[in-house]
Amino acid sequence: AQSVTQLGSHVSVSEGALVLLRCNYSSSVPPYLFWYVQYPNQGLQLLLKYTSAATLVKGINGFEAEFKKSETSFHLTKPSAHMSDAAEYFCAVSDMWGYSTLTFGKGTMLLVSP
Amino acid sequence: NAGVTQTPKFQVLKTGQSMTLQCAQDMNHEYMSWYRQDPGMGLRLIHYSVGAGITDQGEVPNGYNVSRSTTEDFPLRLLSAAPSQTSVYFCASSYSQSSWETQYFGPGTRLLVL
Repeated sequence: AQSVTQLGSHVSVSEGALVLLRCNYSSSVPPYLFWYVQYPNQGLQLLLKYTSAATLVKGINGFEAEFKKSETSFHLTKPSAHMSDAAEYFCAVSDMWGYSTLTFGKGTMLLVSP
Repeated sequence: NAGVTQTPKFQVLKTGQSMTLQCAQDMNHEYMSWYRQDPGMGLRLIHYSVGAGITDQGEVPNGYNVSRSTTEDFPLRLLSAAPSQTSVYFCASSYSQSSWETQYFGPGTRLLVL
């Protein structure tokens, strides 16, 4: 069984500040890990994914995440927040040897203030 | 390409009514799935399909039915709507059933059951 824990249902940052969204996973088999972003009243869009090629993964819009097996973590970061980054962010895990079914965390709403 | 499309965008039902949520993709994707999104719960998998004629249950399948007669379409049927099925429903597709594939999400259907 797999599970994902996202610490903090809401994270507030100032524009220009570091963004750090936390994700920890539990998986009995090697995982693939994903971060998706959801803007208001829209579907989900892939930010980045870890598929075992490199532990530091760069995504769109300046986001990146580092896979740390020893900490079972896949935290999302961005050096400088922009107002347009305000959205809900979901971490998800899939089973390396299974189908393309995702187990999602509960989401973290990122609030960016001027 | 239109990507993943969903209809309707919004629907109000009375308890006990039935309806079908439509999902279509024009990317010739093999894998399709349905998720529901509830506040504070993230997204949970309802049903998925790894190809035409093949479907399987996800985490929360009760009260829902699916079929996949073509590669393009994957409708979700609510047999007898209940207030607990009030939610936002997302359809997603990916090129293959491999678990590293990116899933592409539709814009969602908001369902209110009274």
